[in-house]
Amino acid sequence: KAGVTQTPRYLIKTRGQQVTLSCSPISGHRSVSWYQQTPGQGLQFLFEYFSETQRNKGNFPGRFSGRQFSNSRSEMNVSTLELGDSALYLCASSLEGGGPYNEQFFGPGTRLTVL
Amino acid sequence: GQQVMQIPQYQHVQEGEDFTTYCNSSTTLSNIQWYKQRPGGHPVFLIQLVKSGEVKKQKRLTFQFGEAKKNSSLHITATQTTDVGTYFCAGVSGTYKYIFGTGTRLKVLA
Repeated sequence: KAGVTQTPRYLIKTRGQQVTLSCSPISGHRSVSWYQQTPGQGLQFLFEYFSETQRNKGNFPGRFSGRQFSNSRSEMNVSTLELGDSALYLCASSLEGGGPYNEQFFGPGTRLTVL
Repeated sequence: GQQVMQIPQYQHVQEGEDFTTYCNSSTTLSNIQWYKQRPGGHPVFLIQLVKSGEVKKQKRLTFQFGEAKKNSSLHITATQTTDVGTYFCAGVSGTYKYIFGTGTRLKVLA
């Protein structure tokens, strides 16, 4: 079974631009969660989607948004990029809902650099 | 705000030595998960504990959840070079507040 895939793997943007990241979960998994990882703040939970609905959200500004499609694929969007948004963005899928309550499988991440 | 601290931040051990990392939360957790992240890699789920005082073992790894559900530990017996990486704990507190620990970076010297 294929693992979680994320595209693109690397991205360079400039301040003020917007970016969309994509995540394809493991086949059959309906829950997708997004995380931001930086050296300074560590791993932080962004949000979780289950059956196309955002179920939970971390403490990030409204510039960070996401959605999930009927095939469980998910996208994350960051608008008006700031230098501090430079990070590794990870998505994780789980078989059932409630990613933080179940075994999660992480993708390789998208490395976003904001110049 | 709520924090989940892990100690130590870094640990260098000789291959064959034991290793323990501790995870301490300022509030009660519903559960605790442990992840391992190799250098340049992504987190890999190791285990989840949900009961107060729970202890689980996976080969050389022993995981424990404190009685008050505010702390947890991961102990590795007889470390191997393949154990190198950063170990994170993560847990849910209150209304779905999911927080990761600060991580412990383990280096194993052959």
